[in-house]
Amino acid sequence: GAGVSQSPSNKVTEKGKDVELRCDPISGHTALYWYRQSLGQGLEFLIYFQGNSAPDKSGLPSDRFSAERTGGSVSTLTIQRTQQEDSAVYLCASSLVPTGSYNSPLHFGNGTRLTVT
Amino acid sequence: GENVEQHPSTLSVQEGDSAVIKCTYSDSASNYFPWYKQELGKGPQLIIDIRSNVGEKKDQRIAVTLNKTAKHFSLHITETQPEDSAVYFCAASGVAQFYFGTGTSLTVIP
Repeated sequence: GAGVSQSPSNKVTEKGKDVELRCDPISGHTALYWYRQSLGQGLEFLIYFQGNSAPDKSGLPSDRFSAERTGGSVSTLTIQRTQQEDSAVYLCASSLVPTGSYNSPLHFGNGTRLTVT
Repeated sequence: GENVEQHPSTLSVQEGDSAVIKCTYSDSASNYFPWYKQELGKGPQLIIDIRSNVGEKKDQRIAVTLNKTAKHFSLHITETQPEDSAVYFCAASGVAQFYFGTGTSLTVIP
């Protein structure tokens, strides 16, 4: 079946511009996560949506970063006034509701590679 | 909060040999431990996972072991092949957040 889809796959923008990154999760997955991965680095948590609950925004690095999830499905990550240090791969992942007391595995998209010049 | 440490950061093995990657976690409330493989230009892909009520799980050449008392878990890959070359991430999770290790770059030398 269809996996997590992210668009665009690559984005080059000038410093100071705003960008929007899109994530289409797997149908039926109620949880959606955004991570940032700098070159050769690990996964930095940004934000987490679960159903209709308030999102966990504790990982957003600054107020230039925001995300929304409309209708419990598609999510958009917005970065305002981009800086060169925002250059990274932005990964989206989705998962089913936890099964009992155990979480369900994350399914990742292939990411959006953002380059700020 | 949870802290996941992963070792080694890089690992080179000869084709056919075994590879072992180890992770430790700090929060005893974590009860689900997935492993992901990331190839260049792609997102991480789940390769195996284990719940805290199980000590070991195996899937063909891949196995994961969990020691809850010591709070560590390991990934074992036997009979390694060149296509196993990738970056591997461990993770620990409760019912919400996932906490990832810093990754291990595995190179299998033909």
